[in-house]
Amino acid sequence: QVQLQESGPGLVNPSETLSLTCAVSGYSISSSYYWGWIRQPPGKGLEWIGTTYHSGSTYYNPSLRSRITMTIDTSKNQFSLRLSSVTAADTALYYCARVRWSNAAVLYYFDYWGQGTLVTVSS
Amino acid sequence: DIQLTQSPSFLSASVGDRVTITCRASQGISSYLAWYQQEPGKAPKLLIYAASTLQSGVPSRFSGSGSGTEFTLTISSLQPEDFATYYCQHFNGYPFFGGGTKVEIK
Repeated sequence: QVQLQESGPGLVNPSETLSLTCAVSGYSISSSYYWGWIRQPPGKGLEWIGTTYHSGSTYYNPSLRSRITMTIDTSKNQFSLRLSSVTAADTALYYCARVRWSNAAVLYYFDYWGQGTLVTVSS
Repeated sequence: DIQLTQSPSFLSASVGDRVTITCRASQGISSYLAWYQQEPGKAPKLLIYAASTLQSGVPSRFSGSGSGTEFTLTISSLQPEDFATYYCQHFNGYPFFGGGTKVEIK
């Protein structure tokens, strides 16, 4: 059973860096799936943040690209997100998810999700 | 940029009703189209991918169809556990979501 669990501070000061980790169990992060972050501001819809692969390849939302860093640690079977210079607009529920991506098969979807972690940006 | 518009944004229905949710793209898109269900306080759950393929374990009352600019998610007989918000998602260089359709009890 694939399980993902987000962890990190629930409160971040404005202008500082938000750091989250997603621990994966029941599946090797080094296999053929990609791994992603999605966020959801309170009462609003879903926004993709970025996707990474065990090779270290990263793909970021163009609107957030200048502030995002995603890394992957295959030895710990986890991947991480750093979002710099946060403002109140970055307050959201942050989800990590497994990504099935195949251009040959015309597939891109998120099939397993973590429970989400609420990050509030406030002083 | 391609936009995904879901309609309706809000839907009131009764148990047993047939429900159809539409996801319209601002231009023709490929079948990189997925549907998710999000119950209150929970993470989204994948229902359909590749426009019409049912994810393993998802009840057969859910179905997806469409091509080009219009895609639909149909629930053939609404059950109490189906009252939730539904999102479509497409990939065009990067993934993005529709605005959501909230299905509430009439």
